[in-house]
Amino acid sequence: EDKVVQSPLSLVVHEGDTVTLNCSYEVTNFRSLLWYKQEKKAPTFLFMLTSSGIEKKSGRLSSILDKKELFSILNITATQTGDSAVYLCAVPPFQGAQKLVFGQGTRLTINP
Amino acid sequence: NAGVTQTPKFRVLKTGQSMTLLCAQDMNHEYMYWYRQDPGMGLRLIHYSVGEGTTAKGEVPDGYNVSRLKKQNFLLGLESAAPSQTSVYFCASSYRGLATVNEQFFGPGTRLTVL
Repeated sequence: EDKVVQSPLSLVVHEGDTVTLNCSYEVTNFRSLLWYKQEKKAPTFLFMLTSSGIEKKSGRLSSILDKKELFSILNITATQTGDSAVYLCAVPPFQGAQKLVFGQGTRLTINP
Repeated sequence: NAGVTQTPKFRVLKTGQSMTLLCAQDMNHEYMYWYRQDPGMGLRLIHYSVGEGTTAKGEVPDGYNVSRLKKQNFLLGLESAAPSQTSVYFCASSYRGLATVNEQFFGPGTRLTVL
């Protein structure tokens, strides 16, 4: 069964800290892994990763994929209170499936 | 562009009642999806559609029906609501991809409570 597992489920840090969120997956015929940020309402897209070892970066957020060890990490440096959200990781489950399997999410809280 | 919109935003039902949630997108996307989100469970796919007139089951389809009569609309129906269907429902859409899944654009969600 295709599976996506995120850790930790919850994380509380102080503003300015650096955090690393983890996503491990087990899917048939891996194609891509997507990260989303969910604040109060709809998830919004952050990154899509398809190749191992190539870092995707957007401001203070970056992400990298390891296809050999079947995981991805999302890093946030110099965290701000606006980074508080649930971060979701997702993968398409099998070849030809235009859908996503989501992990449980990591709830990140940044305290001032 | 409005993106993905959902109606209603909130609804309270009694057990056994029926209702339809409407999702609309103005991005000309081929694919549309309905998810439910429960605490600690992430997003779980209920049904999805890869084009007008087509639908397919996701992870948790029981108790729900869907229809995609028009490309821009995707309806989610609950024929006989149960308290276990209390959840936040998200609709999403994505454009037709080639070799891989493309990003999905999400609506603002519908919070449904079944008493």
